[in-house]
Amino acid sequence: DVKVTQSSRYLVKRTGEKVFLECVQDMDHENMFWYRQDPGLGLRLIYFSYDVKMKEKGDIPEGYSVSREKKERFSLILESASTNQTSMYLCASSPGLFYTFGSGTRLTVV
Amino acid sequence: GENVEQHPSTLSVQEGDSAVIKCTYSDSASNYFPWYKQELGKGPQLIIDIRSNVGEKKDQRIAVTLNKTAKHFSLHITETQPEDSAVYFCAASEDSGYALNFGKGTSLLVTP
Repeated sequence: DVKVTQSSRYLVKRTGEKVFLECVQDMDHENMFWYRQDPGLGLRLIYFSYDVKMKEKGDIPEGYSVSREKKERFSLILESASTNQTSMYLCASSPGLFYTFGSGTRLTVV
Repeated sequence: GENVEQHPSTLSVQEGDSAVIKCTYSDSASNYFPWYKQELGKGPQLIIDIRSNVGEKKDQRIAVTLNKTAKHFSLHITETQPEDSAVYFCAASEDSGYALNFGKGTSLLVTP
């Protein structure tokens, strides 16, 4: 089975901190994605990457950046965390449009 | 860009009844329509998908129908069971695209 592993299940960070969310997949997928999930707003795409060192903005990239130095790892970076970035963050990978999601990281910014 | 609308946002049914969730999309170029199920504490998982060259697809108790003219597609769950309780997301995309555009989700509760 394809596994997408998100490094933390729960995180609590302070306003202004730099936050790294890590995602690793084990199936050599080209595409990787970061979504945030909020009640009533569904899944919103933050960034995606279709190859190593390649990245594309999604619908809500403001306040975020990403890094993909190796094919299996896709990191989401909050440069200066703010309370409105409190959310569930979901990573996914895919060889095409068939997504496999990780279990999510629930981030709370205080 | 693509806009996917999903209704209802919550749905409660009795065990054994059917449940229907509906989605509409805006981009006529979209031709791939998956449905994902998210159980509590887990990431969404693909349960069924359909491409625009077919109008209906079934897998045991779940089915998806697609009306390309009207730009809407629906998920049908028959003989619902308590373990069907979850959040369901529809999505749409062009086959050649990279990223799926998701609806806002439907929270389905099946009561015994």
